[in-house]
Amino acid sequence: GQSLEQPSEVTAVEGAIVQINCTYQTSGFYGLSWYQQHDGGAPTFLSYNALDGLEETGRFSSFLSRSDSYGYLLLQELQMKDSASYFCAVRYNTDKLIFGTGTRLQVFP
Amino acid sequence: ETGVTQSPTHLIKTRGQQVTLRCSSQSGHNTVSWYQQALGQGPQFIFQYYREEENGRGNFPPRFSGLQFPNYSSELNVNALELDDSALYLCASTEASGYEQYFGPGTRLTVT
Repeated sequence: GQSLEQPSEVTAVEGAIVQINCTYQTSGFYGLSWYQQHDGGAPTFLSYNALDGLEETGRFSSFLSRSDSYGYLLLQELQMKDSASYFCAVRYNTDKLIFGTGTRLQVFP
Repeated sequence: ETGVTQSPTHLIKTRGQQVTLRCSSQSGHNTVSWYQQALGQGPQFIFQYYREEENGRGNFPPRFSGLQFPNYSSELNVNALELDDSALYLCASTEASGYEQYFGPGTRLTVT
């Protein structure tokens, strides 16, 4: 089956760096995406890895290793507004997304 | 550029009833996907429409059905509502060959 596992919760302080891991048991996908969702809000796209390696977008970076069935999202210079849920998702052909279990990030002052 | 919109925002229905949720895609996007998100969980893929044809379906029963119209707006219909159908329903649009999905704000459905 298809499953993506993430830690349920991560806490950090403002200005810190945090890494949210995503391990998966699936194959044949096009790439790994990351989405952010604030409470009561819609998921918003953060990053996408079609190939193995690191992708950097401002304060956010994402990494994928298909051989290790593993990816992560790295958030630097944390801000209070980064407190949200973060989801990894594998993208298949037809743009179907299978989402992970989600990680709730709490940033403290 | 107008984003993805959904209506209604909230809806309360009784078990056994039918419901129709609506989505207006982002301008220029011809692909729309629907997701169900239960509280505290990740979105679950229901199905996708591309140019008015169903283009993939998740593990949902046939009482979940959809339509996409020539203007790329779409509907999600759920028949014979069950208590477990209570969730946030999200639609997301994508431009052709794009990997970023643009989500609407969702419709919160409560089945009593």
